[in-house]
Amino acid sequence: AQTVTQSQPEMSVQEAETVTLSCTYDTSESDYYLFWYKQPPSRQMILVIRQEAYKQQNATENRFSVNFQKAAKSFSLKISDSQLGDAAMYFCAYLGGSQGNLIFGKGTKLSVKP
Amino acid sequence: DGGITQSPKYLFRKEGQNVTLSCEQNLNHDAMYWYRQDPGQGLRLIYYSQIVNDFQKGDIAEGYSVSREKKESFPLTVTSAQKNPTAFYLCASSRVAALGEQFFGPGTRLTVL
Repeated sequence: AQTVTQSQPEMSVQEAETVTLSCTYDTSESDYYLFWYKQPPSRQMILVIRQEAYKQQNATENRFSVNFQKAAKSFSLKISDSQLGDAAMYFCAYLGGSQGNLIFGKGTKLSVKP
Repeated sequence: DGGITQSPKYLFRKEGQNVTLSCEQNLNHDAMYWYRQDPGQGLRLIYYSQIVNDFQKGDIAEGYSVSREKKESFPLTVTSAQKNPTAFYLCASSRVAALGEQFFGPGTRLTVL
């Protein structure tokens, strides 16, 4: 069975600085998707970025980028120029197989200090 | 506006009562999902449906039931058999199961009194 591990329960970053959130996963599949979701205090799940496993190029969305290491089964999220609005829970998620359900890590709580 | 709606936002239930959580989407998505979120945990899959009139159990289906009579709607019933139902419930949908991202509703907070 696939598993997703986020080893950092909490992280803190100074406003305008850069922070990296870690995620590792375990799978025997070769074709899958990986996602980072953000959950602010409102608890709405918001998609931050996605990565297809067959793509070697790392995904980027404005200040958010990933470091996807397929062989190492690692999928970290880098947030550049951190803003106060980035403070939230961040969940790494895996999507594979035929069922279509996401497998989530336990999340990393990110605090942004002014 | 296209999106997913869940109602109610907060729900209180007495022990021994069944309660139904609503989830509606107007995104024309085929697949819909129900997740449960507990403090300090990621989301866990309760049930999912890839097409109308078909659904499958997820990892924690015991004590829950669903129906999918319309493409737009995927209600979740929390039965009295669910031993610890107090949690935050999130509904999601995707265009096709196993392809691409899922979009989430705003969630329902269920509290058993």
